[in-house]
Amino acid sequence: GQNIDQPTEMTATEGAIVQINCTYQTSGFNGLFWYQQHAGEAPTFLSYNVLDGLEEKGRFSSFLSRSKGYSYLLLKELQMKDSASYLCALKDSNYQLIWGAGTKLIIKP
Amino acid sequence: ETGVTQTPRHLVMGMTNKKSLKCEQHLGHNAMYWYKQSAKKPLELMFVYSLEERVENNSVPSRFSPECPNSSHLFLHLHTLQPEDSALYLCASSQDSGTGSEKLFFGSGTQLSVL
Repeated sequence: GQNIDQPTEMTATEGAIVQINCTYQTSGFNGLFWYQQHAGEAPTFLSYNVLDGLEEKGRFSSFLSRSKGYSYLLLKELQMKDSASYLCALKDSNYQLIWGAGTKLIIKP
Repeated sequence: ETGVTQTPRHLVMGMTNKKSLKCEQHLGHNAMYWYKQSAKKPLELMFVYSLEERVENNSVPSRFSPECPNSSHLFLHLHTLQPEDSALYLCASSQDSGTGSEKLFFGSGTQLSVL
């Protein structure tokens, strides 16, 4: 079967670093996405990884290890506006998106 | 105009009502999607349209009926819903469907409550 696991909720402090993990099991793989969703708003695209390694984009970085079925989203220099849900999703062999349930990130001053 | 616009933002309806959700995208995309988002659950894909043709229907009950009159507009017609259908309904678009790196652009959703 196919499934994605990510923590339900995480708490971090403003200015700190937080890593949100996503593990998956799938029969085929065509890339992994991270989306950010603020409460009551649309999910917005953050990153896409299809090859192993780290992709850096400003304060946000995304890492992928296909052999381990593992990805993480790294957020540096946390700001209050980073409080949101972070959704992990992968494209399977049929290019269908399989979604995780999301990680709610709470930033405290 | 933002990329993907959904109306209404909030909807309360009884189980015998008929209502419609509307989605419009201003991005020139060829694919449009309806998703259901329930609290603490993964996004559930309901329907996919590519170039105005329905390409996917994920075993959705017939009380949900999609309509795509052109590549910019998507509707979800609702009829005799159940309380368990209460959720956030998200519309999304992408340049094309079925490719690897294609990212989705979402609307802000319609928060639906069925009484």
